[in-house]
Amino acid sequence: KAGVTQTPRYLIKTRGQQVTLSCSPISGHRSVSWYQQTPGQGLQFLFEYFSETQRNKGNFPGRFSGRQFSNSRSEMNVSTLELGDSALYLCASSLGGLAGYTQYFGPGTRLLVL
Amino acid sequence: GIQVEQSPPDLILQEGANSTLRCNFSDSVNNLQWFHQNPWGQLINLFYIPSGTKQNGRLSATTVATERYSLLYISSSQTTDSGVYFCAVSDAGGTSYGKLTFGQGTILTVHP
Repeated sequence: KAGVTQTPRYLIKTRGQQVTLSCSPISGHRSVSWYQQTPGQGLQFLFEYFSETQRNKGNFPGRFSGRQFSNSRSEMNVSTLELGDSALYLCASSLGGLAGYTQYFGPGTRLLVL
Repeated sequence: GIQVEQSPPDLILQEGANSTLRCNFSDSVNNLQWFHQNPWGQLINLFYIPSGTKQNGRLSATTVATERYSLLYISSSQTTDSGVYFCAVSDAGGTSYGKLTFGQGTILTVHP
């Protein structure tokens, strides 16, 4: 079974721009979660989608948004980029709920904001 | 929200040595996972262990849920074990299944 895939792997943007990151979960997984990793704050939860609905949300400003499609693929969008948004963005998938909690992570997208 | 503390923050070993990493958490959990992050940033899932004991080769883990801690044991360490080890949990309330709270990690360096 193929693992979690994320595209693009690397991205360079300038302040004020917006960016969209994509995540394809493991086949059959219905839950997709997004995390931001920075040297200062560590790994922080952004949001989780399950069956196209946002089920959990972390403490991030409204510039960070996401969505999930009917095939469970997910996208996250960051608008009006700031220098502090430079980070590794990781996506994880799981079966979801009582069917299985184990999260499997993708390779991440490295975003650099100049 | 739930708090996760890992210790030690750094660990330096000679190849062949054994080590124990600890994870303390502040509330009841329905998910606890140990991960190894490789130099490229990929988080490799080591164990899903909200309670009990599991073993996988040279690695084993024990979670004592009633006392709110988990231990990761690495035996006969190898240089390829180097990297950052994370403990992550989701609390047992509501629908937090997909929301993991991570500790700050333990940086393990294994010298040949």
